[in-house]
Amino acid sequence: DTGVSQNPRHKITKRGQNVTFRCDPISEHNRLYWYRQTLGQGPEFLTYFQNEAQLEKSRLLSDRFSAERPKGSFSTLEIQRTEQGDSAMYLCASSPEDRGVASVGGYGYTFGSGTRLTVV
Amino acid sequence: KQEVTQIPAALSVPEGENLVLNCSFTDSAIYNLQWFRQDPGKGLTSLLLIQSSQREQTSGRLNASLDKSSGRSTLYIAASQPGDSATYLCAVITGFQKLVFGTGTRLLVSP
Repeated sequence: DTGVSQNPRHKITKRGQNVTFRCDPISEHNRLYWYRQTLGQGPEFLTYFQNEAQLEKSRLLSDRFSAERPKGSFSTLEIQRTEQGDSAMYLCASSPEDRGVASVGGYGYTFGSGTRLTVV
Repeated sequence: KQEVTQIPAALSVPEGENLVLNCSFTDSAIYNLQWFRQDPGKGLTSLLLIQSSQREQTSGRLNASLDKSSGRSTLYIAASQPGDSATYLCAVITGFQKLVFGTGTRLLVSP
């Protein structure tokens, strides 16, 4: 397993179009996260899955955004009716479930290379 | 609301210098802290993870410390090299499986 994989690496779309991104986590990681990063800022949390269940969504995730993780494996993030403000780097991360003595997030998080979205 | 601040925002040093990057957070009730490196236009590469029971972690020329009570972490880079040029991000891990990131320190190491 070579890590967290994201596709596509870059996406340019016209305003109003729908786009979908894919994330393949590390295979033994049951937790998957989506973050968004705008220029000059740190990544911001969007949503989190444990297996196929979406356990938390940020208020940043408007109703134009939807994320899925069918069968608890890969995940997709779809943006409908894109706006110029959606232009950002979309990052996916995964982590194993905390077990034993490891505290919350005790194994850390592994990020993918991201999908750069440009809405023109 | 947890807020993470990184100082300085940018740093330029000649090759060979030792340097310290600072990270502070407003709520000391964190579980762990992770330092990442980000090259321009790329994703995040994990550098060091400090678990709540630890005070520091070392990897090669990197050493990170954590003082939860004062809400601070530092990343020490020894003998800096041009290849260290990147943005360094710290992130605290909250109880809701969320990472809260700072805005990063942009480091430029000149040959």
